Amino acid sequence: EIVLTQSPGTLSLSPGERATLACRASQTVNSNYLAWYQQRPGQAPRLLIFGASRRATGIPDKFSGSGSGTDFTLTISSLEPEDFAVYYCQQYGDSLPYTFGQGTKLEIK
Amino acid sequence: QLVDSGGGLVKPGGSLRLSCAASGFPFSNFAMSWVRQAPGKGLEWVSGISDSGDTTHYADSVKGRFTISRDNSNSSLYLQMNSLRAEDTAVYYCVKAQYYDYIWGLPNWFDPWGQGTLVSVSS
Repeated sequence: EIVLTQSPGTLSLSPGERATLACRASQTVNSNYLAWYQQRPGQAPRLLIFGASRRATGIPDKFSGSGSGTDFTLTISSLEPEDFAVYYCQQYGDSLPYTFGQGTKLEIK
Repeated sequence: QLVDSGGGLVKPGGSLRLSCAASGFPFSNFAMSWVRQAPGKGLEWVSGISDSGDTTHYADSVKGRFTISRDNSNSSLYLQMNSLRAEDTAVYYCVKAQYYDYIWGLPNWFDPWGQGTLVSVSS
């Protein structure tokens, strides 16, 4: 089972700043099958990125994903109030169970 | 769209059946899963089922206690939960996969997600 470790656990930034969130896998993620989800308080997670770098339908281009192998990054440019949430990475390149990172909380500084 | 229901308060050792009503896509063409989130915690995949229902998969933590099923004629997904434990307390989300089954090499990210239904196991 692939273990995903996200860093930092909490990221404190101000609106307008750029956020960089990391996700490291315990072994190579097959075909870069890695997704990022956003979860706002009291809501279900929402898909942002799949295939490490492809934006889901309706996701603005301020969200971008990059990386390969074991190291992946989600970047959010010019933070807006609605971007402050918890972000999870997930790998789906291995056999089940698909695993999630523990999450990064992006909070307003 | 996915709409989850069936959660509630149940005593340890009890049972509960969750439902998920799907609409807006050809339900019978896609594998589905349940993902849960304990209070204040992260996400955990629980169970998955192929498009036809012939193949099912379970996390070790629920194997032998939970049963996933589907009714393609009604575009519905179910999770029968037996022998419930306090550690099963969580919000349970129904999620759609991208392909017909969970086969190595098929890119099955989860989208969309249901709104979730809360299961509380307590005496």
